Amino acid sequence: QKEVEQDPGPLSVPEGAIVSLNCTYSNSAFQYFMWYRQYSRKGPELLMYTYSSGNKEDGRFTAQVDKSSKYISLFIRDSQPSDSATYLCAMSVRRGGGADGLTFGKGTHLIIQP
Amino acid sequence: GAVVSQHPSWVICKSGTSVKIECRSLDFQATTMFWYRQFPKQSLMLMATSNEGSKATYEQGVEKDKFLINHASLTLSTLTVTSAHPEDSSFYICSAAELAGGGETQYFGPGTRLLVL
Repeated sequence: QKEVEQDPGPLSVPEGAIVSLNCTYSNSAFQYFMWYRQYSRKGPELLMYTYSSGNKEDGRFTAQVDKSSKYISLFIRDSQPSDSATYLCAMSVRRGGGADGLTFGKGTHLIIQP
Repeated sequence: GAVVSQHPSWVICKSGTSVKIECRSLDFQATTMFWYRQFPKQSLMLMATSNEGSKATYEQGVEKDKFLINHASLTLSTLTVTSAHPEDSSFYICSAAELAGGGETQYFGPGTRLLVL
């Protein structure tokens, strides 16, 4: 079993829809959780960072963490075509990844249809 | 803030040559830098972790003599792919973290696409 599981998609939704992206993990030592957005041929861009269970909201984005279920989600409201990208979840045992770096999911390819 | 640059953005080289990739943190001091590799449709895989002024720590399966990492200053790390072969063709991405200064996560560079012929 991989440490972090993420459905690679593609996930195609109409513009304006609410998007739900998810990751599950097996290592209960993970304490820090991140979502990155990666456009084709570009480096990942940090969207959300959280280290506690519950919800964190930033504009149209909401990150949700459920440590008891080892499940994290990213919700995108009022989705736009410019949101079309690959979304990577990442997690770490230590702040900033520490000496172990980050463990990434495979990424979900999201397509927002105009 | 938290901008990380990489140079070059892409490189094509002949098999057997060496390629150097630079990673710079532009507006913060990165006490720790990470190098990742990403193959098409795959996730980012950590290659090595480097702290300024000390030797890099390599992940299992990554040859330290092939992938030379130097973190000479708090804003610059370099990755040199020595004697590159076609199987080394990949997307190399660095990230930087300001852990000592209380920074909480990593910021990524735009990546370097390497093609070895």
